[in-house]
Amino acid sequence: AQSVSQHNHHVILSEAASLELGCNYSYGGTVNLFWYVQYPGQHLQLLLKYFSGDPLVKGIKGFEAEFIKSKFSFNLRKPSVQWSDTAEYFCAVIPHQAGTALIFGKGTTLSVSS
Amino acid sequence: GAVVSQHPSRVICKSGTSVKIECRSLDFQATTMFWYRQFPKQSLMLMATSNEGSKATYEQGVEKDKFLINHASLTLSTLTVTSAHPEDSSFYICSARFPGRSYNEQFFGPGTRLTVL
Repeated sequence: AQSVSQHNHHVILSEAASLELGCNYSYGGTVNLFWYVQYPGQHLQLLLKYFSGDPLVKGIKGFEAEFIKSKFSFNLRKPSVQWSDTAEYFCAVIPHQAGTALIFGKGTTLSVSS
Repeated sequence: GAVVSQHPSRVICKSGTSVKIECRSLDFQATTMFWYRQFPKQSLMLMATSNEGSKATYEQGVEKDKFLINHASLTLSTLTVTSAHPEDSSFYICSARFPGRSYNEQFFGPGTRLTVL
């Protein structure tokens, strides 16, 4: 079945550690790719998105993601995490043939200790 | 800009009653809104796509007679959970597509926690 996979369910890091969260999708053709963050008690916020062009996308709060078409991947990275990055992170895809609905991965909980 | 609100944020109801959840785009007109359901520690699952002035499009497995969606204006979509049961307890999130932005960019509401006793 077509899907979005996030490999890490729960990641625990110390402040200043580097972060990489994996995301793979199984849709062929053109896709739009997104990473959303949900801080405790808050609504989903867009971190970054990829539609076309440079496959290395810069987002807010120092996050970036790289689209590797050959690997169907869109991994999220941050060189040095902070305690305030503790949140739930969701990768999402819009396969063009499926219209405009977002297909979400299961999410990754990031816990950062100070 | 591009703020989406939901009301109520939390609701507790008895089994068999109906609950209405509102989703509003506060500073833009949204021709398309989406309703998602999120179970604990799980992903957001698309329930239906709501288009202003027309019937909602439901995803496979979602009962349209149980989850009534009305998109009566360009700033308001409502989800009514009819004859709610404990298994309907979940976190319901709406999103709205901003017509002036990148075609596929959506903005999310804060969600509504429904608990059915």
